Amino acid sequence: ELKVEQNPLFLSMQEGKNYTIYCNYSTTSDRLYWYRQDPGKSLESLFVLLSNGAVKQEGRLMASLDTKARLSTLHITAAVHDLSATYFCAVYPNFGNEKLTFGTGTRLTIIP
Amino acid sequence: GAGVSQSPRYKVAKRGQDVALRCDPISGHVSLFWYQQALGQGPEFLTYFQNEAQLDKSGLPSDRFFAERPEGSVSTLKIQRTQQEDSAVYLCASSLLWDTQYFGPGTRLTVL
Repeated sequence: ELKVEQNPLFLSMQEGKNYTIYCNYSTTSDRLYWYRQDPGKSLESLFVLLSNGAVKQEGRLMASLDTKARLSTLHITAAVHDLSATYFCAVYPNFGNEKLTFGTGTRLTIIP
Repeated sequence: GAGVSQSPRYKVAKRGQDVALRCDPISGHVSLFWYQQALGQGPEFLTYFQNEAQLDKSGLPSDRFFAERPEGSVSTLKIQRTQQEDSAVYLCASSLLWDTQYFGPGTRLTVL
């Protein structure tokens, strides 16, 4: 059974600081997604990572994938308040099944 | 264009009642997914369809849960004889084949 773990679960950081969220998964996978969820809202797709060494960047967020280590990171640069949200990574278990397995989520709070 | 829509947005049911939750996917999306999200948790897979075919229902918690997509477009998730542990947000997502899943706003179900 595929397991996806994120750490930290909770992160409180000051504006302007850098930090990294980690996502580990237990079996080989074809692709990994990062989603953002604001309180009471649905999930918004941020990135899809499709191969070993893939790196995607959008604004202050950068995601990377190491399939050999079964690890993805989401790096936040010079955090601003509007990045406060819960971030989930999600993994396809294997080719042939489209269902996503989500991580536990990282609740990020940016403090002014 | 229009995103994934779900109705109702909120549903309160008395224990033992049957409920039906509707999902309208993005037009042209082949794949449709149902997830359950408990408070403070990541979404958990319930079931998914490619067109009208239900390919995986391994996540449905009991035989009280039933999903259908008869014409390969709109889907309904039905829960019979609701229990308090069914209280959660039910998320629907759709995608092109093997592509990013786009989520609807969810239906918050509260069972009293």
